[in-house]
Amino acid sequence: KAGVTQTPRYLIKTRGQQVTLSCSPISGHRSVSWYQQTPGQGLQFLFEYFSETQRNKGNFPGRFSGRQFSNSRSEMNVSTLELGDSALYLCASSLGRAADTQYFGPGTRLTVL
Amino acid sequence: AQTVTQSQPEMSVQEAETVTLSCTYDTSESDYYLFWYKQPPSRQMILVIRQEAYKQQNATENRFSVNFQKAAKSFSLKISDSQLGDAAMYFCAYRKNNNDMRFGAGTRLTVKP
Repeated sequence: KAGVTQTPRYLIKTRGQQVTLSCSPISGHRSVSWYQQTPGQGLQFLFEYFSETQRNKGNFPGRFSGRQFSNSRSEMNVSTLELGDSALYLCASSLGRAADTQYFGPGTRLTVL
Repeated sequence: AQTVTQSQPEMSVQEAETVTLSCTYDTSESDYYLFWYKQPPSRQMILVIRQEAYKQQNATENRFSVNFQKAAKSFSLKISDSQLGDAAMYFCAYRKNNNDMRFGAGTRLTVKP
């Protein structure tokens, strides 16, 4: 089975712009979670989608949004980018139960200038 | 809110020796799941080992084992016969039902040849 893929792998944007990141889960997985990883804050949960519905949401401002399509692929969008949004954005897919292993993608490295 | 604490930002071990990484968590729940994930440099995060809170027996996966002390809310990871490939960031994580997964700040493990 192919692993979790994320596109693009690297992005450079300027403040005020918006960005869309994409995540393709492992075939058969219905849950996709997004995380922001920074040296200072570590791994922070953004949101989780399960069968096209947002099941959980972290403590991030409304500028961060996401969605999931019927084929389980997910996108996250960040509007009005700020310098502090520079981070590695990871997505992880799973079958959807609490005990299930989350399989992580390689991440998208976002740099905001 | 459930929090996960990894008190050792960095650890070092000699190749072939044993090392233990610490993790404590805070919860009022009785049924939950605990995980250790490994993030090698510039590589994808992968699951190392998982423990269901209702199981008293400590989980083991080859050279990796845990010491799960439910009453103390402690979940340490023991790596035996350490190998150079074990060098990575190790994250402890907690999940209750289908809520979001909470990660600790991570422990950077260095393996010395």
